[in-house]
Amino acid sequence: SSELTQDPAVSVALGQTVRITCQGDSLRGYYATWYQQKPGQAPVLVVFGENNRPSGTPDRFSGSTSGNTASLTITGAQAEDEAAYYCSSRDNSGKLLLFGGGTKLTVL
Amino acid sequence: QVQLQQWGAGLLKPSETLSLTCAVHGGSFSGYYWSWIRQPPGKGLEWIGEINHSGSTNYNPPLKSRVTISVDTSKNQLSLKLSSVTAADTAVYYCARGSLQLSILQYYYYYMDVWGTGTTVTVSS
Repeated sequence: SSELTQDPAVSVALGQTVRITCQGDSLRGYYATWYQQKPGQAPVLVVFGENNRPSGTPDRFSGSTSGNTASLTITGAQAEDEAAYYCSSRDNSGKLLLFGGGTKLTVL
Repeated sequence: QVQLQQWGAGLLKPSETLSLTCAVHGGSFSGYYWSWIRQPPGKGLEWIGEINHSGSTNYNPPLKSRVTISVDTSKNQLSLKLSSVTAADTAVYYCARGSLQLSILQYYYYYMDVWGTGTTVTVSS
């Protein structure tokens, strides 16, 4: 399969925990990578690999994988976390790069 | 700190060729994958294609017949050409630097840690 599936929208109360998921066959061989995108800005890498964060990504962001599903968890969501989140991985051939459709996170 | 500077024509007519350039400042081309990604207004990210450090290219199948990605290592520049554009090619276009790694648990992972600021391209007659 050459698709990654995300829920279009998720909401979370301020300070609560939210999980954003991404499903796809390629995730059985590749860890998902997660990008955050705010309106009018370029995407920013937030989580990659088994559970790695670039410097600058708060430690409330974490990643995990189980079978064909990857998850991005935000523990104690803040107002500034309101954004679109995209998962990505290579496809099973390794030659193509896939993006999920994106999840719009609203912090209430 | 690596930065990617993009430029190119922002307004095209249908059937023309889109041409964008991305300059890499503060870093080397070697050892990385260099991608172009686009985002139509109000929509998600779409990978266009990439070129790696050895000059090999991969393209998204729906765009493959119209896309050419190349590098000029002497100038540290990456370029994108997309022929026969239509209104459906209207989007913000990004260049990005990618890395492919293998974890201890034998999972591969690919990530793009440096992105250009984006170039808005509009196709209209």
